[in-house]
Amino acid sequence: DGGITQSPKYLFRKEGQNVTLSCEQNLNHDAMYWYRQDPGQGLRLIYYSQIVNDFQKGDIAEGYSVSREKKESFPLTVTSAQKNPTAFYLCASSGRDTPSEQYFGPGTRLTVT
Amino acid sequence: KNQVEQSPQSLIILEGKNCTLQCNYTVSPFSNLRWYKQDTGRGPVSLTIMTFSENTKSNGRYTATLDADTKQSSLHITASQLSDSASYICVVSAAMDYGQNFVFGPGTRLSVLP
Repeated sequence: DGGITQSPKYLFRKEGQNVTLSCEQNLNHDAMYWYRQDPGQGLRLIYYSQIVNDFQKGDIAEGYSVSREKKESFPLTVTSAQKNPTAFYLCASSGRDTPSEQYFGPGTRLTVT
Repeated sequence: KNQVEQSPQSLIILEGKNCTLQCNYTVSPFSNLRWYKQDTGRGPVSLTIMTFSENTKSNGRYTATLDADTKQSSLHITASQLSDSASYICVVSAAMDYGQNFVFGPGTRLSVLP
């Protein structure tokens, strides 16, 4: 069953704690992306990675960190420095042959109180 | 500034009716335009993709149009069903040296009522 998975579906944390969101894909895609979605707004790019061991900041990278140690995995850490972390987080991937076609995971809803 | 706008923000229609969603963009250099359907609490799923030379693309009851001159696209839904209730997102890709730059619209929230 090929695809892109995110876990957990729902995540609750106390303010001041770091939290890591998982994203895994078995599509053999080189590129992976993290987006944040807030009500009434378009998806905003947090980080992206075009290849293993390399990643670039997106438009709203402050307060977030990522790693890309394996092609299949692109975890996102929401740090305590992120001032408004409550949001819906989406991971996506795209292949080299069709770089404009992004496949999205089911998302993780993070609530920080 | 690269930007994608969508209208209306939300729409309510009765089951079986048709509707049209609009997308205006200022993205350069234009590579392609996609429409995604996003069910509540789920990830977006691609419906159609159009390049510069294409002006119509269909996927079942979904028909997308593209006017590259006016930088406008529309998504027409025919004979709506309850399962069409979702957000519809217009995404325009710009070809960059490092890959693709995806610019997302805010989406149109469609509610189909019985």
